[in-house]
Amino acid sequence: QITLKESGPTLVKPRQTLTLTCTFSGVSMSTRGVGVGWIRQPPGKALEWLAVIYWNDDKRYSPSLKNRLTVTKDTSNNQVVFTMTNMDPEDTATYYCAPSTDIWVPPRYWGQGTLVTVSS
Amino acid sequence: QSVLTQPPSASGTPGQRLTISCSGGSSNIGSNTVSWFQQVPGTAPKTLIYSNNQRPSGVPDRFSASKSGTSASLAISGLQSEDEGDYYCAAWDDSLNGVVFGGGTKLTVL
Repeated sequence: QITLKESGPTLVKPRQTLTLTCTFSGVSMSTRGVGVGWIRQPPGKALEWLAVIYWNDDKRYSPSLKNRLTVTKDTSNNQVVFTMTNMDPEDTATYYCAPSTDIWVPPRYWGQGTLVTVSS
Repeated sequence: QSVLTQPPSASGTPGQRLTISCSGGSSNIGSNTVSWFQQVPGTAPKTLIYSNNQRPSGVPDRFSASKSGTSASLAISGLQSEDEGDYYCAAWDDSLNGVVFGGGTKLTVL
């Protein structure tokens, strides 16, 4: 059974950096093909893909946000860390950690999500 | 504007069969597998279909999907009230080097 949990601040100020951690079990970042992605959903809006990091440390980022995003992994602790710099109120959204079990595919599993509000 | 195009809404009556379409291009649906997700309001998305037509364990066989060329579709047979929610399609895009989503289809069971 796969369990996922996103953790981090629920409120950040404009221009601050957001750091979220995805802690998971039942899937291992040492397994070939496994990736952990991040997707967000502004209130009342559609899903938006942000980034993915694979077992071999290959990383892909949304072209429109890539200058602001970083993903890293801690394989031994089953964690992936997501950072987004220069936060803006328009970045207010629920952020999901979402692993996949193969490369270049949409996520297979979803975390419960964490709502991040950007406000002064 | 989403890369994949879905109808914004769909509706049906209990027991009915309904399909939701997802249109893309050669760099996404045309060359990669499609997934479908269901999102009940206030909850996280749930994977209904992966690899074009594969159901994870626990997903009823009322849900099926297919892909042809640069389009895909999700079919729901024997529509039930608990099927209400938002449905999203997604695929990897070789040009954007990332996952692209449809704008979502809001399903209402009348």
